[in-house]
Amino acid sequence: GAVVSQHPSRVICKSGTSVKIECRSLDFQATTMFWYRQFPKQSLMLMATSNEGSKATYEQGVEKDKFLINHASLTLSTLTVTSAHPEDSSFYICSASGRSNTEAFFGQGTRLTVV
Amino acid sequence: DAKTTQPNSMESNEEEPVHLPCNHSTISGTDYIHWYRQLPSQGPEYVIHGLTSNVNNRMASLAIAEDRKSSTLILHRATLRDAAVYYCILRPQGGKLIFGQGTELSVKP
Repeated sequence: GAVVSQHPSRVICKSGTSVKIECRSLDFQATTMFWYRQFPKQSLMLMATSNEGSKATYEQGVEKDKFLINHASLTLSTLTVTSAHPEDSSFYICSASGRSNTEAFFGQGTRLTVV
Repeated sequence: DAKTTQPNSMESNEEEPVHLPCNHSTISGTDYIHWYRQLPSQGPEYVIHGLTSNVNNRMASLAIAEDRKSSTLILHRATLRDAAVYYCILRPQGGKLIFGQGTELSVKP
């Protein structure tokens, strides 16, 4: 299957700082990318959907000014957690779909810990 | 978003077939049925998807009911590496992937 690379895999940051997570589709053009967060023992929660070259669409309850999403190219999307707080600590996962708009491929996830 | 219902957990024995059920009675005509699985501390992995006809690939088979209100993921010979949480998701063409709680599959040696 297609490869989606997510970086970093783990990050620890201080409260009040910002963290950027990158998601790259390595062997296909991702017209749509999804960002999820997952708390322990829970399912994935969709945060936002982004299409290349346009603004992201955020799910209800997700603060767009706190979770900045950029999808500037067909192979790269970034999620920036701004002014991070301990409650933002979570497992963040990106997913990408190509032009076929059928199956999606996922990154390996980023474990964010805010101290 | 159309919802799916899956058992919380299932057990199987190694090298035996596993049938993972999924109910989706509110499915619409354009919804694809997707299956993904997730191992601990990893991103989900695509397994299989289909629309109306049964599908086979190297990982699994997907059996879709004639009325499309239910489907079954079939792992033909379970291995220990198949132990994971399996998610059945309805996805409109080009639409969002909304995860439910999934089925936690354990495989006994």
